[in-house]
Amino acid sequence: DAGITQSPRHKVTETGTPVTLRCHQTENHRYMYWYRQDPGHGLRLIHYSYGVKDTDKGEVSDGYSVSRSKTEDFLLTLESATSSQTSVYFCAIRSSGSEETQYFGPGTRLLVL
Amino acid sequence: QKEVEQDPGPLSVPEGAIVSLNCTYSNSAFQYFMWYRQYSRKGPELLMYTYSSGNKEDGRFTAQVDKSSKYISLFIRDSQPSDSATYLCAMSPYTGGFKTIFGAGTRLFVKA
Repeated sequence: DAGITQSPRHKVTETGTPVTLRCHQTENHRYMYWYRQDPGHGLRLIHYSYGVKDTDKGEVSDGYSVSRSKTEDFLLTLESATSSQTSVYFCAIRSSGSEETQYFGPGTRLLVL
Repeated sequence: QKEVEQDPGPLSVPEGAIVSLNCTYSNSAFQYFMWYRQYSRKGPELLMYTYSSGNKEDGRFTAQVDKSSKYISLFIRDSQPSDSATYLCAMSPYTGGFKTIFGAGTRLFVKA
């Protein structure tokens, strides 16, 4: 998994509660991404980061926020979880100057009841 | 209409068969084309990367891009049970990753 870990790996929460997912990398990559994966939709970009404190929105950013205070950590927060946010969340990294490729973490399975 | 269309399958083949996986797309600006393999309950892993048109071969895997038809393919020769996975195509108009569009994935089963 290219030195990427995600925590927690599984989480069950209730509607309306805040949830934070963590992505940690050990290889000092500049670019980090959060995706969600749902049946029939493939992977969709939520937010991405191109450096410490530099983040931007992706295709499906509503209801999500991110923070990156250190190179190695990229946090995804669901401010008030909804059932539509039940999904599998993947973090990915991309090295500066590399080809257009991304390397993915193992994923976090989130169930919002 | 989705920007990237991929048949979800499942596709079931006997061991040793040649497998053809395909994606079509609508955005003529796409220049970077990738194939990822995803085993059950794992993250996607990069299999093949191609820039612009043409073929690329890596072992038993061949990726083809036909930009005139907006069609990409992944061929797997001598398929093995260990190839059983979901295959995702992905494409992007430029580097950076923030405009990469993924197909929904084709689930492949290779029977021993």
